[in-house]
Amino acid sequence: EPEVTQTPSHQVTQMGQEVILRCVPISNHLYFYWYRQILGQKVEFLVSFYNNEISEKSEIFDDQFSVERPDGSNFTLKIRSTKLEDSAMYFCASRQGPFGTSDTQYFGPGTRLTVL
Amino acid sequence: AQKITQTQPGMFVQEKEAVTLDCTYDTSDQSYGLFWYKQPSSGEMIFLIYQGSYDEQNATEGRYSLNFQKARKSANLVISASQLGDSAMYFCAMREGFYGGSQGNLIFGKGTKLSVKP
Repeated sequence: EPEVTQTPSHQVTQMGQEVILRCVPISNHLYFYWYRQILGQKVEFLVSFYNNEISEKSEIFDDQFSVERPDGSNFTLKIRSTKLEDSAMYFCASRQGPFGTSDTQYFGPGTRLTVL
Repeated sequence: AQKITQTQPGMFVQEKEAVTLDCTYDTSDQSYGLFWYKQPSSGEMIFLIYQGSYDEQNATEGRYSLNFQKARKSANLVISASQLGDSAMYFCAMREGFYGGSQGNLIFGKGTKLSVKP
């Protein structure tokens, strides 16, 4: 069964460093998302991406964050200068689309980011 | 106001019994979708079940069913014949309408931690 994959599973970085989290969505999916979950809290939406551009972003997704689909398979989230409060689990998700077809977002296993 | 409310921070159920996890939602959209995800201690988010706002029948997926009461704005998850492997966090989520360029991002509740006792 196709699945969303994410690498690395755990990333430890120093405050102020740049990190890139990688995701490979399900191959025939067209809509991609990043969410984050601070330890013990609920999952929060960061950004959605379709047709090679950002569709929507939350207040959390400030100028320190960027997303990219550098090739036909990868979808990346970059945090330019990490802060302690960026420590969280980051989930990538994808949806088949378009509207009227499958509505379900399938999540990857997550990348646990620890900022020291 | 919270868009998704899960009022049970923790629940216990005896193995082989059924359990209901509550979820209420708040939206003014006519078209929306409701989801339940399971998060075991390993951290991944596993999709369980989906209910569209226009679906007249309650969704079922194996041992999972969604008790959808539109007028009450509730979408409770029912797990029948609980198993030890069902012990996990369960999140209710909503996708509101696809308006104004929105691609249907999910809004999550705070979750319910289910513990299945042998």
